[in-house]
Amino acid sequence: NAGVTQTPKFQVLKTGQSMTLQCAQDMNHNSMYWYRQDPGMGLRLIYYSASEGTTDKGEVPNGYNVSRLNKREFSLRLESAAPSQTSVYFCASSEGGHTYEQYFGPGTRLTVT
Amino acid sequence: QKEVEQDPGPLSVPEGAIVSLNCTYSNSAFQYFMWYRQYSRKGPELLMYTYSSGNKEDGRFTAQVDKSSKYISLFIRDSQPSDSATYLCAMSLAGNNRKLIWGLGTSLAVNP
Repeated sequence: NAGVTQTPKFQVLKTGQSMTLQCAQDMNHNSMYWYRQDPGMGLRLIYYSASEGTTDKGEVPNGYNVSRLNKREFSLRLESAAPSQTSVYFCASSEGGHTYEQYFGPGTRLTVT
Repeated sequence: QKEVEQDPGPLSVPEGAIVSLNCTYSNSAFQYFMWYRQYSRKGPELLMYTYSSGNKEDGRFTAQVDKSSKYISLFIRDSQPSDSATYLCAMSLAGNNRKLIWGLGTSLAVNP
């Protein structure tokens, strides 16, 4: 039982490049989330998916797109990376009804130069 | 003003001390109150949660919610070096709400 896994762990991009962050969970959770964490700003919700087939914007969605590929997988895409997107990205999942209990992945450290 | 305020610290205490971590909030509709712990270069993990007001105890950890003052606390008794981490408070509304509102986190160092 791996919980929530994220790939890659580290990534360096040049401004304007694109990439997709992958997330998968093996807990049969309905809801999945993408956050970014920055010093002084805390955790901020980018997008979330309440259930398979649905996605909704969070607090800071600009510059990102998501895909809920199936119940297990939720990907985050940066179409044209900007230095302001340098951050640590966390994927999380929850059963859905019990919103308080979110399980987090290990994070992806992204640097955009 | 942010919906949830949390002093980022850092807080440094000697091993064995009692630690008090706090958050204040402005939205009186919050019903679920959580404390997450985040070790360096790891994802947050749920430590404790409380529904509405009251206290909850789990081993050396006690969570308190005072809704009249819009104030929540996490107490750590007999603190250990392994408690050194960042502690984040989070809150949500009642009902089927998917979003947690997060504090910035308080960095705690317990010195042997």
